[in-house]
Amino acid sequence: QVQLVQSGAEVKKPGASVKVSCKASGYSFIGQYMYWVRQAPGQGLEWMGWINPNSGGTNSAQKFQGRVTMTRDTSIRTAYMELSRLTSDDTAVYYCARVGHGESFEYWGQGTLVTVSS
Amino acid sequence: QSALTQPASVSGSPGQSITISCTGTSSDVGGYNYVSWYQQHPGKAPKLMIYDVTNRPSGVSNRFSGSKSGNTASLTISGLQAEDEADYYCSSYTSSSTVVFGGGTKLTVL
Repeated sequence: QVQLVQSGAEVKKPGASVKVSCKASGYSFIGQYMYWVRQAPGQGLEWMGWINPNSGGTNSAQKFQGRVTMTRDTSIRTAYMELSRLTSDDTAVYYCARVGHGESFEYWGQGTLVTVSS
Repeated sequence: QSALTQPASVSGSPGQSITISCTGTSSDVGGYNYVSWYQQHPGKAPKLMIYDVTNRPSGVSNRFSGSKSGNTASLTISGLQAEDEADYYCSSYTSSSTVVFGGGTKLTVL
């Protein structure tokens, strides 16, 4: 079965960077785009971007351009999302999600809580 | 890209039907049949309930259905059950090759 397992919670200081990993299993890793979505405490879902694990190509929401880097290591079936220049507004649960039909997010990781605090 | 517009909350009694709307523009909801709906219980990851406007993934109850008219998509839940109480989010592909979510709707089963 498809599983996405994310790295553990992180606490970062303002101005630092965080790198979240998402290890995939149960399907062809290079065959499906991987998306990143975040959710601030008590808030809604926010689309961040995607990576094509086959080519390494990426696309991100304009809001995060210049601050987000999405990469992958196909040898270990893992996608990464790195967010730099963190502020308290970046405190959120970060999810990876595998694309399904159309542009739906069919499978989700368990989420990684990133807390930005001085 | 502005978030899609959803009502903040809806409620219904067990056995009733409710509908949650999701309003966008011709650049997202109205322009593509790539509207999805997600259910999220507290502390859990979202779960895909509807994709491509009307389709249910395997394992999702047929009490959940989706539709679209113009720039507004809708999720209908029939035969409400206590376990349906959750937050619901719509999403749509956009003309900028991005995805936009709705602000979310809290469903309360009375």
